[in-house]
Amino acid sequence: NAGVTQTPKFQVLKTGQSMTLQCAQDMNHEYMSWYRQDPGMGLRLIHYSVGAGITDQGEVPNGYNVSRSTTEDFPLRLLSAAPSQTSVYFCASSYPLGGSYNSPLHFGNGTRLTVT
Amino acid sequence: AQSVTQLDSQVPVFEEAPVELRCNYSSSVSVYLFWYVQYPNQGLQLLLKYLSGSTLVESINGFEAEFNKSQTSFHLRKPSVHISDTAEYFCAVSDQGAQKLVFGQGTRLTINP
Repeated sequence: NAGVTQTPKFQVLKTGQSMTLQCAQDMNHEYMSWYRQDPGMGLRLIHYSVGAGITDQGEVPNGYNVSRSTTEDFPLRLLSAAPSQTSVYFCASSYPLGGSYNSPLHFGNGTRLTVT
Repeated sequence: AQSVTQLDSQVPVFEEAPVELRCNYSSSVSVYLFWYVQYPNQGLQLLLKYLSGSTLVESINGFEAEFNKSQTSFHLRKPSVHISDTAEYFCAVSDQGAQKLVFGQGTRLTINP
């Protein structure tokens, strides 16, 4: 059981470049989300999804797009990277279909992104 | 809006000493409270959670936290720490179950031999 898989683990971008951070889970979780982690600021919610075809904004959505075409995948797109987006990005999922609404978040191991 | 404040960014302690990591929250509605742990170069893992019922909750590795509604706190404690407890600890709050969490800034726990 792989859990939540994030790729790539590391990425360096130049300002203005675009890229997609991949997130896949094999636990049939309905809920998926993206957080960014910055020193001294904890984790902040970027976007989340409560099921295929449904997405919504979190606390810091600007500069990021998401889509949820399948239950398993929840990619995060940076349309035009900026140095302020240098961060560690975590994908998390929970709430298996038919399971408890209070099931905990399962996190991936993160993608460390540097924008120069 | 909810918020979480972790009062200490770093806590150094000696091995086998007790430790308390402090967490205060603000919310206008009923809340669910969580502690997550992040070991180096890994994602976050759930340590313990308060959803309802007993205000004292425990983890399998000896940590405990007490929900104090009057003081809006959810401090994490362990009576005797080990080197393996070295990690960053995050307190989190939600008013919508266990998913849409608001995290604190994190506390880095360092255990000295």
